[in-house]
Amino acid sequence: DIQMTQSLASLSASLEEIVTITCQASQDIGNWLAWYQQKPGKSPQLLIHSATSLADGIPSRFSGSRSGTQYSLKISRLQVEDTGIYYCLQRYSNPWTFGGGTKLELK
Amino acid sequence: QVTLKESGPGILQPSQTLSLTCTFSGFSLSTYGMGVGWIRQPSGKGLEWLANIWWDDDKYYNPSLKNRLTISKDTSNNQAFLKITNVDTADTATYYCARMGDFDYWGQGVMVTVSS
Repeated sequence: DIQMTQSLASLSASLEEIVTITCQASQDIGNWLAWYQQKPGKSPQLLIHSATSLADGIPSRFSGSRSGTQYSLKISRLQVEDTGIYYCLQRYSNPWTFGGGTKLELK
Repeated sequence: QVTLKESGPGILQPSQTLSLTCTFSGFSLSTYGMGVGWIRQPSGKGLEWLANIWWDDDKYYNPSLKNRLTISKDTSNNQAFLKITNVDTADTATYYCARMGDFDYWGQGVMVTVSS
């Protein structure tokens, strides 16, 4: 199985700050990576697909990038509504695997 | 407008079979490239992918649940189903269905508790 490691379980940042959340794949997954945001009591919401493509309706302050097997989600100017838990998902091979999640809070 | 909604028994006892239904609208599982997946989340924990079914009836399962999973679909009624046999307390979770390929739309989730 491909392991997806989100090394930071939690992260605290200030309003308007630049935030980067990372996800490391245990092997090559190409661009078969997506990012999701989940707020308390809600379903996850797709933010980024294909590693770098912004999902429909998602603010442009979110962006995704890839360097080898490391994937990053960047929030260019943190807003109050961006708090929540962020998960990566690889769908390169079965079983599809999620990262453990990074909880983003406001400082 | 794409919507999905899960339904299930709420509570069941260990060793029983969990049957979940995902009723969706705004897309069809007879359309090339479409699919539905099931994901679960124990309270306070992360997400676990369970199974996928595609428009061509291709099916994929998470091997960690061994042979306990069965996914199926009813294209005419816009529904997908998941059965989990021989449940135990570790299967207590919120179960989501989501549209594939990137899980771009999710249902609200259904809570399932396994308890004696």
